[in-house]
Amino acid sequence: GAVVSQHPSRVICKSGTSVKIECRSLDFQATTMFWYRQFPKQSLMLMATSNEGSKATYEQGVEKDKFLINHASLTLSTLTVTSAHPEDSSFYICSAKDPGKETQYFGPGTRLLVL
Amino acid sequence: KQEVTQIPAALSVPEGENLVLNCSFTDSAIYNLQWFRQDPGKGLTSLLLIQSSQREQTSGRLNASLDKSSGRSTLYIAASQPGDSATYLCAVPSGGYQKVTFGTGTKLQVIP
Repeated sequence: GAVVSQHPSRVICKSGTSVKIECRSLDFQATTMFWYRQFPKQSLMLMATSNEGSKATYEQGVEKDKFLINHASLTLSTLTVTSAHPEDSSFYICSAKDPGKETQYFGPGTRLLVL
Repeated sequence: KQEVTQIPAALSVPEGENLVLNCSFTDSAIYNLQWFRQDPGKGLTSLLLIQSSQREQTSGRLNASLDKSSGRSTLYIAASQPGDSATYLCAVPSGGYQKVTFGTGTKLQVIP
């Protein structure tokens, strides 16, 4: 079946550094990918919609200059958390939409801890 | 704006019991509805996907139903086991980009 991978699965970084998370669709080409964030004991909240070849669309309250999204190819979207701070510590999950099946597949998630 | 609510927020049952988890959504213009389980500190595991044209889906001890007109879905778990303990999330894609809105989740504990 369709698989979406994320790398890294876990990252610990110092405050002020930037962290890049990759999301790849392995079995299909995804023109649209989504990035979600989950704080402890909360549900997943959509951060942004990533479209191949165009600018990402951010949800209200999400800083586009802090969370840089690049959908460089039909199988890869990256999320860069710039100048990370402890409050950015969270679980980040991506999903990729399979246009042939009108179904979204979710990645395993990346746990970010900012010290 | 789509809003998805799950009831109950938490549930504790003895092993072997049948149980029902509820999900309600405000915008019935959905493409499908998906149920996931999430173990502590882990990602999502897809359980069942119901297309908007379907009324229910079954997988093993799990049965999910969908009533679009009333904005409701239920996840039925038969003969619950301790391994079923997890948080269960329903999710609905809607809108032009099919953005997925997740429910608030039901934390299930099955006691041996």
